[in-house]
Amino acid sequence: EDKVVQSPLSLVVHEGDTVTLNCSYEVTNFRSLLWYKQEKKAPTFLFMLTSSGIEKKSGRLSSILDKKELFSILNITATQTGDSAIYLCAVASLNNNDMRFGAGTRLTVKP
Amino acid sequence: GAGVSQTPSNKVTEKGKYVELRCDPISGHTALYWYRQSLGQGPEFLIYFQGTGAADDSGLPNDRFFAVRPEGSVSTLKIQRTERGDSAVYLCASSKDPSGANVLTFGAGSRLTVL
Repeated sequence: EDKVVQSPLSLVVHEGDTVTLNCSYEVTNFRSLLWYKQEKKAPTFLFMLTSSGIEKKSGRLSSILDKKELFSILNITATQTGDSAIYLCAVASLNNNDMRFGAGTRLTVKP
Repeated sequence: GAGVSQTPSNKVTEKGKYVELRCDPISGHTALYWYRQSLGQGPEFLIYFQGTGAADDSGLPNDRFFAVRPEGSVSTLKIQRTERGDSAVYLCASSKDPSGANVLTFGAGSRLTVL
């Protein structure tokens, strides 16, 4: 059965810290891995990764995929209180039309 | 519309009642998804529409749940004989990619509470 596991489930840091969020997966016929940020309501898209070893970057956020070891990491440098959110990892398969989500990592950034 | 719109944003109902949750996707997006998110969990797939037809309804938990999209735009998720375990946030998402591959834009969700 397809599975997505995120760690840690919860993380509390102070402003300025760097954090690394982990996502490991098992999926048949992998298509893509996506990261979303969920604040109060709608998850918002961050990155889509399809190839190993190619870093995607947007400001202080970056992400990379390892298709051999079946995981991805999301890095946030110089964290700010506005980064506080749940970060969701999702994996899409070529076999079907849904995306399987992990349980998320709840990040709290304290001033 | 500019984004995915879901109504109502909050719905409180009693056990055994019928509820309808509405999703208005981004204009031109042919793919529409319903997910359910319980507290502390990631979104759980329910059903996927490509156009008017339900291309994949394998995530619907039982026959109390049904969804329609009669004109290929607005979708309604219908829950009969609600149970307390149905309490969750129901998220709708749409995508313009007809193959389903897949940057989804989510709505803000409908929070359902069954008393």
